[in-house]
Amino acid sequence: AQRVTQPEKLLSVFKGAPVELKCNYSYSGSPELFWYVQYSRQRLQLLLRHISRESIKGFTADLNKGETSFHLKKPFAQEEDSAMYYCALSLSNAGGTSYGKLTFGQGTILTVHP
Amino acid sequence: EAQVTQNPRYLITVTGKKLTVTCSQNMNHEYMSWYRQDPGLGLRQIYYSMNVEVTDKGDVPEGYKVSRKEKRNFPLILESPSPNQTSLYFCASSSRLVNYGYTFGSGTRLTVV
Repeated sequence: AQRVTQPEKLLSVFKGAPVELKCNYSYSGSPELFWYVQYSRQRLQLLLRHISRESIKGFTADLNKGETSFHLKKPFAQEEDSAMYYCALSLSNAGGTSYGKLTFGQGTILTVHP
Repeated sequence: EAQVTQNPRYLITVTGKKLTVTCSQNMNHEYMSWYRQDPGLGLRQIYYSMNVEVTDKGDVPEGYKVSRKEKRNFPLILESPSPNQTSLYFCASSSRLVNYGYTFGSGTRLTVV
């Protein structure tokens, strides 16, 4: 069964400092990885998809299959980045059709101090 | 506006009193799913549906029921709620292409006393 681990429940940095939120997964196949963000009292929003290799709000994430990791990084944190961040894993067939099951990690609360 | 709508936003009920949380999406998505969010445990999938009349258990299905009679609706039913089902519940929908990710509703905070 697939599993997602976010080892840090809490992460605090100062504004302008680099930030890295760790995510490790366990699955022997080729999963699809995502980062979701939840700002205070708001719904979860999709932040990044590994397949698109995009940069959103200055965040990037690289899939490292050898280390089974998908860490989220930002070179200069901003106060508005303070939120709960979830790493998630989904499985699909060779054609990209999802099997429907999305597994989340426990989440990391990021606090960016002024 | 493309969205997932859940109702109610807040609900307090007593143990054993059946309740339904509704979820509707207007994006013609094939997939819909229910999650519960608990401190320290993250989000855990309760049930998901890959199409009308097709549902499957997630990681924590005990005590819950779902139905998918129409593509846009995916209600969550608690036949006999218990205090350990006090949680924040999220409905989500997605196209069948995994790359697009799920779109989430605003959440329903349920308290069972």
